[in-house]
Amino acid sequence: KQEVTQIPAALSVPEGENLVLNCSFTDSAIYNLQWFRQDPGKGLTSLLLIQSSQREQTSGRLNASLDKSSGRSTLYIAASQPGDSATYLCAVNNNDMRFGAGTRLTVKP
Amino acid sequence: DGGITQSPKYLFRKEGQNVTLSCEQNLNHDAMYWYRQDPGQGLRLIYYSQIVNDFQKGDIAEGYSVSREKKESFPLTVTSAQKNPTAFYLCASSILAGVIYEQYFGPGTRLTVT
Repeated sequence: KQEVTQIPAALSVPEGENLVLNCSFTDSAIYNLQWFRQDPGKGLTSLLLIQSSQREQTSGRLNASLDKSSGRSTLYIAASQPGDSATYLCAVNNNDMRFGAGTRLTVKP
Repeated sequence: DGGITQSPKYLFRKEGQNVTLSCEQNLNHDAMYWYRQDPGQGLRLIYYSQIVNDFQKGDIAEGYSVSREKKESFPLTVTSAQKNPTAFYLCASSILAGVIYEQYFGPGTRLTVT
């Protein structure tokens, strides 16, 4: 059964810093991996979707990479802003979606 | 605007009562999903449906029931058999193109049972 782990569980950084969030998974036979943002008490907003054949995807200040062989994905956030404060979840799809518990990010002004 | 709506946003029920959570989408997506989220945990799949009048159990289906009579709608009933129903419930949908799909989520319903 696929297991998805996100480390760290929480992260606090000063505004302007570049940061990396990590996601690891146990079964590398995946179809795709999706990164989401969740604000408190809200639903999930899709940030990036990486297909299994891709190595990375970029959207604005966000860059997600995928290394299937090592079972890892990273979400890189450049020049962080207080508005980036949220919980970030990764989800791995190998015929059903498995979610990590998320990393709660706080960006301090 | 296209999207997924869930209602109500907050729901309070007494123990022993069944309750139905609504999920509607106008994205013309084939598949719909119900997840449960508890503090500090990842989302766990309750039920999913890939086509009208068909649905499958997820990892934690016990104490829940669903129906899929219309493509746009996938209501979830939390029955009195569910031992710990208090949680945040999220509905999602996706288009099915092989297995290359992206999930879109509704705003969630927070259910509190006392």
